[in-house]
Amino acid sequence: KQEVTQIPAALSVPEGENLVLNCSFTDSAIYNLQWFRQDPGKGLTSLLLIQSSQREQTSGRLNASLDKSSGRSTLYIAASQPGDSATYLCAACRGGNEKLTFGTGTRLTIIP
Amino acid sequence: NAGVTQTPKFQVLKTGQSMTLQCAQDMNHEYMSWYRQDPGMGLRLIHYSVGAGITDQGEVPNGYNVSRSTTEDFPLRLLSAAPSQTSVYFCASSLTDSKGVKLFFGSGTQLSVL
Repeated sequence: KQEVTQIPAALSVPEGENLVLNCSFTDSAIYNLQWFRQDPGKGLTSLLLIQSSQREQTSGRLNASLDKSSGRSTLYIAASQPGDSATYLCAACRGGNEKLTFGTGTRLTIIP
Repeated sequence: NAGVTQTPKFQVLKTGQSMTLQCAQDMNHEYMSWYRQDPGMGLRLIHYSVGAGITDQGEVPNGYNVSRSTTEDFPLRLLSAAPSQTSVYFCASSLTDSKGVKLFFGSGTQLSVL
């Protein structure tokens, strides 16, 4: 059974700093890995999707990497801003059946 | 496009009551799913549907029923609410293309069972 872990559960960083969020998964036989953002009281918004054959994806100030052999993915946020404050979740998709296993998330606070 | 619409946003039930959480999407996605989110547990899949008339169980299906009579709608029914079903419920629809599966989530229903 796939297990997805995100450590730390919470992180506070001064504005302007670069930061890395971590995601670990136990089963390397994944179809893709996705990063989501969740604002308080809201649903999840997809940020980046990395296919199993890729090593990284970039969107603006966000860069996600994937290392299947070590069971790890990272989300790099450059030049953090207060608007980046949210909970970030990763999810591993095993096979093409569209069922995802989610991590518990990292609650990020950017301090102005 | 409205995307994925969930109603209600908040609901309080007494133990034993039944109710239906509504979910509708206007993106013509075949795949829809229901998750519950609990503190420290992440999102867990309750039920999913790969198309109208087809549903299947996810990780935590007990106490919930679903049906999919149309592509647009995927309601979740609580037959006899229990305090353990206090949670935030999210409906999602998904699109599969050459890059993989991309999920679109509703804004959630916060349910409290007393």
